[in-house]
Amino acid sequence: KNQVEQSPQSLIILEGKNCTLQCNYTVSPFSNLRWYKQDTGRGPVSLTIMTFSENTKSNGRYTATLDADTKQSSLHITASQLSDSASYICVVNRIYGGSQGNLIFGKGTKLSVKP
Amino acid sequence: GAVVSQHPSRVICKSGTSVKIECRSLDFQATTMFWYRQFPKQSLMLMATSNEGSKATYEQGVEKDKFLINHASLTLSTLTVTSAHPEDSSFYICSALNRPRGEYEQYFGPGTRLTVT
Repeated sequence: KNQVEQSPQSLIILEGKNCTLQCNYTVSPFSNLRWYKQDTGRGPVSLTIMTFSENTKSNGRYTATLDADTKQSSLHITASQLSDSASYICVVNRIYGGSQGNLIFGKGTKLSVKP
Repeated sequence: GAVVSQHPSRVICKSGTSVKIECRSLDFQATTMFWYRQFPKQSLMLMATSNEGSKATYEQGVEKDKFLINHASLTLSTLTVTSAHPEDSSFYICSALNRPRGEYEQYFGPGTRLTVT
């Protein structure tokens, strides 16, 4: 069964601290993996996208890693800010090329950054 | 670039009435758009794929007569929830497909919160 599991379900950290979110997937065939940030009551915004040949990709304070062998990905947030409070969703694209709606979504990790 | 808008952002309607939600790609043309539904603390669930000029493709378990989708132009898709019931209350998100650098990418709208009383 094609699944994307994220952990932890929720996380509270202090402003300025780092954190790492985890994503395990069983989706096959795999095309690419994306991390999205979703603010409460808003649509998801793409942070990173990685194909199976990429091990790491950064976007400012966000760094995503991918191990296609173990089917694991992580999102590391450095020097967290209050505005980082959101849900972070791991999404795996199940097919190559067309990406015609074959996105498998994780349930997300809800991050709360406290002052 | 690649901005997707939705209207309205919030809507409250009475049970039995119909509600229309619009999804627009503002700065690109999208032959394919998607409609998702998200319940609290749940992941996005794909409802249907909307193709410009043709009938939408619905996911298993989604009633096509209840959730009417029209993709009449390359920048606009609409979702109409007919005879709404309280259990239809949810967060509805659309996305539009674009190929900014060769690879297909879905760009999401800000979502519409539907509350059926």
